Amino acid sequence: DTEVTQTPKHLVMGMTNKKSLKCEQHMGHRAMYWYKQKAKKPPELMFVYSYEKLSINESVPSRFSPECPNSSLLNLHLHALQPEDSALYLCASSQGNTIYFGEGSWLTVV
Amino acid sequence: SQQGEEDPQALSIQEGENATMNCSYKTSINNLQWYRQNSGRGLVHLILIRSNEREKHSGRLRVTLDTSKKSSSLLITASRAADTASYFCATEGSGTYKYIFGTGTRLKVLA
Repeated sequence: DTEVTQTPKHLVMGMTNKKSLKCEQHMGHRAMYWYKQKAKKPPELMFVYSYEKLSINESVPSRFSPECPNSSLLNLHLHALQPEDSALYLCASSQGNTIYFGEGSWLTVV
Repeated sequence: SQQGEEDPQALSIQEGENATMNCSYKTSINNLQWYRQNSGRGLVHLILIRSNEREKHSGRLRVTLDTSKKSSSLLITASRAADTASYFCATEGSGTYKYIFGTGTRLKVLA
């Protein structure tokens, strides 16, 4: 099973809302990632968890808060977002050098 | 920024033709990978080439790597309409898990 599952597929939220994006993998991968992708742009690295510990934070604003409850789950908590945060949020995991991506969560901030 | 540059940004070819896209990067690498993304979907790993390799093949894909020029190319032979997608190279700083993607090439294959 080489699958990374992301929910929800689409999310519309107001600037005062609190919501979460969820990601799950059952491949036993020990590294998990959040990427943000705007239209016609490459994915931009946000966070990396290695063995359930946050190892990379690419200077992401605190309105994005990652959480890794266990080795299979990765959450991205969203609070007080701005319209410019609207994007495709991609979760990924890796074993060795290959990254496996989920299908992404489309986020629209209104 | 560590981000790689890809060219061309966009490429439109006829079915059956070959497509070549190039990637340049800035820092030393352990390996370079190519990924494909269909519109609005997740990325799919295509092929990895290690820093001590110069060329690698996988089906209709051929990847080259020139570490002296910090560049790589992806060749798709005998293209099909289903190859229409965006293609990204990705590099990682040594063992850091910090995978950085190039700017991407949008390929359109016309039937």
